[in-house]
Amino acid sequence: NAGVTQTPKFRILKIGQSMTLQCTQDMNHNYMYWYRQDPGMGLKLIYYSVGAGITDKGEVPNGYNVSRSTTEDFPLRLELAAPSQTSVYFCASSYPREFGNEQFFGPGTRLTVL
Amino acid sequence: QQQVKQSPQSLIVQKGGISIINCAYENTAFDYFPWYQQFPGKGPALLIAIRPDVSEKKEGRFTISFNKSAKQFSLHIMDSQPGDSATYFCAARAPGTYKYIFGTGTRLKVLA
Repeated sequence: NAGVTQTPKFRILKIGQSMTLQCTQDMNHNYMYWYRQDPGMGLKLIYYSVGAGITDKGEVPNGYNVSRSTTEDFPLRLELAAPSQTSVYFCASSYPREFGNEQFFGPGTRLTVL
Repeated sequence: QQQVKQSPQSLIVQKGGISIINCAYENTAFDYFPWYQQFPGKGPALLIAIRPDVSEKKEGRFTISFNKSAKQFSLHIMDSQPGDSATYFCAARAPGTYKYIFGTGTRLKVLA
């Protein structure tokens, strides 16, 4: 079981460039999430998905897009990179239970936009 | 109302001491309260969690105390060890969803 995997680990983008952050989980979890982590700001939810074909916005969705064509994959797309998107991005997955629906996090992608 | 306020921002504790991290929330409908531990360069990992109908939960050296009337919950780390040095996040689950609101994190350093 690899758990939640993310690629790439690091990336430097120029302003206006686009990229896709990849996320894959092998635990057959219905729920998947994308967060960004900025120093002193905690984790902010960007988008989440409750299953293949279903996505919804989180707290900070502007500048990002997602898709969920399979249970396993949940890519995050940045269309026009801006310096404000410099952050560490975490993907997570969970199985919906009333209690104990632990979120499993990937190792993160550190993105710098210059 | 959807915020979770966490304090302190950073904490230094001697080995063997007690580390205490506090969180406060406004939305009384939040229905699950986990704590996550994050080591540098890694993703957060679930440490311990509590339901709002329970006042305390203990797992080894880690205890959550929950005060529903005060809308506060805290993490206590007993006999703190250098290996506990990490960033800790509290979180609260939005009602009727599986979305979580996270606190801003506490960076704990345990001195040997």
